[in-house]
Amino acid sequence: DSGVTQTPKHLITATGQRVTLRCSPRSGDLSVYWYQQSLDQGLQFLIQYYNGEERAKGNILERFSAQQFPDLHSELNLSSLELGDSALYFCASSGHSGVNEKLFFGSGTQLSVL
Amino acid sequence: KNQVEQSPQSLIILEGKNCTLQCNYTVSPFSNLRWYKQDTGRGPVSLTIMTFSENTKSNGRYTATLDADTKQSSLHITASQLSDSASYICVVRAPYSGNTPLVFGKGTRLSVIA
Repeated sequence: DSGVTQTPKHLITATGQRVTLRCSPRSGDLSVYWYQQSLDQGLQFLIQYYNGEERAKGNILERFSAQQFPDLHSELNLSSLELGDSALYFCASSGHSGVNEKLFFGSGTQLSVL
Repeated sequence: KNQVEQSPQSLIILEGKNCTLQCNYTVSPFSNLRWYKQDTGRGPVSLTIMTFSENTKSNGRYTATLDADTKQSSLHITASQLSDSASYICVVRAPYSGNTPLVFGKGTRLSVIA
């Protein structure tokens, strides 16, 4: 168990809808990362938050947004969903930044857009 | 463009046998190279982290090697077990690549059969 909790584990929705994925980082970790993993693709970095502030942005679509709350949990909001948004969405947390920063991943949310 | 290529894409071996997974990268310079194990439906778990000055690092039956000159790394699994069945992901950290310092490979899917 990595200590990172993601909910829900599975989500099935229709095109055009909006969903919210939730992540609780390991106790004491200030950084939260969001990644997208499509079938047979490597993990794609979406966005990072550090202690409530956006720290870095990757290939995140404008239809997607995220935030980190004062209790350090984070939410990823996906709107106007398309079939191509079906993927595994992972959250990872770390306790410190730096080149040897170690990421701890949650078990992911499997999103299926029908 | 920073890239991480892994081979083979998939591999099937008999329980008890050894295997070696390959990782070639174009990330330069780089801070460290990581190998992760990702069980089906779970998040990646760190196996090893090597800096550019390290040639080899072991974690139980897993041994990672790194040749920074040829930009190649390998992950050797000894005396494989059924529980080794997973995807193995090579990740390179690029210190100066803006907002996406971690570059993920697509992984090698290993199946260990009895």
